[in-house]
Formats: sequence, C-alpha cells, structure tokens
Amino acid sequence: DAMVIQNPRYQVTQFGKPVTLSCSQTLNHNVMYWYQQKSSQAPKLLFHYYDKDFNNEADTPDNFQSRRPNTSFCFLDIRSPGLGDAAMYLCATSRDRAGEDNEQFFGPGTRLTVL
Amino acid sequence: AQKITQTQPGMFVQEKEAVTLDCTYDTSDPSYGLFWYKQPSSGEMIFLIYQGSYDQQNATEGRYSLNFQKARKSANLVISASQLGDSAMYFCAMREGSQGGSEKLVFGKGTKLTVNP
Repeated sequence: DAMVIQNPRYQVTQFGKPVTLSCSQTLNHNVMYWYQQKSSQAPKLLFHYYDKDFNNEADTPDNFQSRRPNTSFCFLDIRSPGLGDAAMYLCATSRDRAGEDNEQFFGPGTRLTVL
Repeated sequence: AQKITQTQPGMFVQEKEAVTLDCTYDTSDPSYGLFWYKQPSSGEMIFLIYQGSYDQQNATEGRYSLNFQKARKSANLVISASQLGDSAMYFCAMREGSQGGSEKLVFGKGTKLTVNP
C-alpha cells in the first residue's frame, strides 16, 4: 500500500561525512520533491524534479544535491553535513506540477542526526 | 511577506468537541488551491482536505471541513467530534495555479493541536 517510501527512517551521520537519503514512489508521478523540515518549523522546499528536469530553489545551499535516475527513485545527497543540517527530510510526489489542485503525497520522512 | 499565516501556535480541545484551526493567505493569483495537512509526531504529512479558489462550496472530508471565506482570504479547518488521535501538528498550505511557480506548495508555520480526554 505504501505509495511514497523513504529509507532509512532515521539516519545518523558525522559532521562532514557525505550522506544519501532515498525516496521511491509507486504512483508513477511525474514530479518528486525534497523538503527540509527543522524542529517546530514548516517544511521548506529544497528542489524538485519534473520528470528529469531539475529545479533548484534559489536559497538551497550547494551542499545539497539530488539525483533522479528513473521515474520511481529520487535521492538527496548532502555532501558535507553540518550540525545545522539536522532535520526531517520529506519526499513528496505529485502527478503533475501545473494546476492548483495538484495534491502532493508525502513519504514518512527521514530524520537526520548529525554528530 | 508571509503567504500563509497560522496565528495559533497551539490549540487545546476536549475529546468529542469541535475545533477550528485558523489560516489566512495572501496571493494576487486568481487561481490557487489551499490544502491542509496533518503531521503526527511520527513525521509523515497526511493530506486532509483541499479547497480550490473557484470552488463555490466549502470542502468537506468526513470530520474535516474547510470554512473558505474568499473575500477575507481565510481557509480555516474545522474538525468535528475531536478524537485523541487528532493530536498532531496541522499545516495550512497554498499552491498558486496560473503563474510561474505553481509547483510550489507554501506552508504556514503550523498549529499544534492537543486533544484532551
């Protein structure tokens, strides 16, 4: 039944050690999103893919990269995690990106701890 | 300027009572959509209800209804007959439809709802 799957649910990494978070979807949606959500804050969009077209938010640090090898999978790479990157990372999908009624489906999130 | 404002950081309600969570929005786009999501402590964002800017009637989904007042730019979520499992963070979000950036969902800061037995 799971539609948007994120692995792992909890990730611990060391300061400066690269880490990759993964997201997969069974919905065959065109768009995949990565959000960062820090404690007691709203989710903040980092970037999204429309099919293979990558769209970066202007204020997303260069430390954050993403890959989408196929429709089903999308990865978030943090090249050199800092203490400030500790957060919940949410992956979401939507059928398309245009249209105001385009619902986003979220995964359960990966909670990243940086030691 | 904030596009989505949720003025209630925390709300308390007694089990079985109704509760209203406030949301106001700011946009000049005539075409937009408003969403409410629930986020339990486990972290997953659960879609609750959607209201389109051109919808004539207020959206309803089971115990959830959206009190949409377009002129006031408000989209309050009403939860009837609260249950203990409704305790969670609730986020209001907006997607602007006709202009560039329609793929973006902008979230408010959230309201933490606690349902007391």
